[in-house]
Amino acid sequence: SQKIEQNSEALNIQEGKTATLTCNYTNYSPAYLQWYRQDPGRGPVFLLLIRENEKEKRKERLKVTFDTTLKQSLFHITASQPADSATYLCALVSKYNFNKFYFGSGTKLNVKP
Amino acid sequence: DVKVTQSSRYLVKRTGEKVFLECVQDMDHENMFWYRQDPGLGLRLIYFSYDVKMKEKGDIPEGYSVSREKKERFSLILESASTNQTSMYLCASSKGVRFFGPGTRLTVL
Repeated sequence: SQKIEQNSEALNIQEGKTATLTCNYTNYSPAYLQWYRQDPGRGPVFLLLIRENEKEKRKERLKVTFDTTLKQSLFHITASQPADSATYLCALVSKYNFNKFYFGSGTKLNVKP
Repeated sequence: DVKVTQSSRYLVKRTGEKVFLECVQDMDHENMFWYRQDPGLGLRLIYFSYDVKMKEKGDIPEGYSVSREKKERFSLILESASTNQTSMYLCASSKGVRFFGPGTRLTVL
């Protein structure tokens, strides 16, 4: 089955810098890939979606790339702020069943002022 | 605005008790899900439902059951709670994207 890998170590960066988070997967390419933000003690909140045939997607300070050759998605937050500190999860959606999601364990981002 | 609510934010139960976790969504979604989330293990799917009275096992259904009598409501039942069911439980409804509730932190003593 599909395996999703996100860096389990926290990412610590300085305010104003660009944060880059990685999501790697094994096996077949998904139909699309989603990124979620999760604050402590809360449920994940959807941020962005990128389809298999898209290379890049942007939304305000957020950018997601998708490389099906490397089997990797990168999630960027530009001009990061302390309020961006949270855990970020990626989720792959199976092309064979759009209800089948594979979630990564998430990477914790700490943005220091 | 889209909303998924869960009946309790925190719950403490004793081993062997029957536990009910309730989830309600106001988006008229057909698909609803129950996950548990544990450190290092990520989100694991317990059960899901595609329609009223329909249910499907997820990846870790043992020790759990579900009920979906109305479209907006999806209940998770722990028939006899055990300490290894101490976890964060997250309900979600879906139309392409998962909309999660705030979660229930369940502790079984």
